[in-house]
Amino acid sequence: GAVVSQHPSRVICKSGTSVKIECRSLDFQATTMFWYRQFPKKSLMLMATSNEGSKATYEQGVEKDKFLINHASLTLSTLTVTSAHPEDSSFYICSARDPGQYSYNEQFFGPGTRLTVL
Amino acid sequence: KQEVTQIPAALSVPEGENLVLNCSFTDSAIYNLQWFRQDPGKGLTSLLLIQSSQREQTSGRLNASLDKSSGRSTLYIAASQPGDSATYLCAVRRRRDDKIIFGKGTRLHILP
Repeated sequence: GAVVSQHPSRVICKSGTSVKIECRSLDFQATTMFWYRQFPKKSLMLMATSNEGSKATYEQGVEKDKFLINHASLTLSTLTVTSAHPEDSSFYICSARDPGQYSYNEQFFGPGTRLTVL
Repeated sequence: KQEVTQIPAALSVPEGENLVLNCSFTDSAIYNLQWFRQDPGKGLTSLLLIQSSQREQTSGRLNASLDKSSGRSTLYIAASQPGDSATYLCAVRRRRDDKIIFGKGTRLHILP
């Protein structure tokens, strides 16, 4: 199946710094990527939908200026958490949609990035 | 609004037992339903994906069923093993906006 990678897998930063998380589709081109957030013992919540070459669409309640999303190529989307605070500590997971003929536009998920803000 | 509910929230069973995890969803207008496994601190592993036109999918000891009209799916795990211990997430891909909505998961613990 299609593979999606994320980097870094784990990051610890000080409050007030910005952190960039990369999401890559390794063996397919993804016109659409998604960013999710997961709090401990909670389910995944969609943060935003990222379309290549256009602005991301954010879910209600997600701050656009706080979580900057860039989808500059068909294989890479980035999520930047700006001026991170402890409450931004969470598990961030991306997914990419494979528009391939036999994949039914299935979404494939990355392994996640654990962000800890001190 | 699409809601996905998973019951039970947690389950502990002795090794070797067969078990069923339940998932219900409120909006039947879906493309598919997917079951994932998530180990602590890890990402998602896709287990089974059932298209809306399908009734069930099987992979090894896992069998997932889908009854779209009643908004229900079950994940059946046969002959459970300690290695099956994980959180199992159910997710539906809804038609109206093509978004995936997740349940809160069932935390499964298989006792050796």
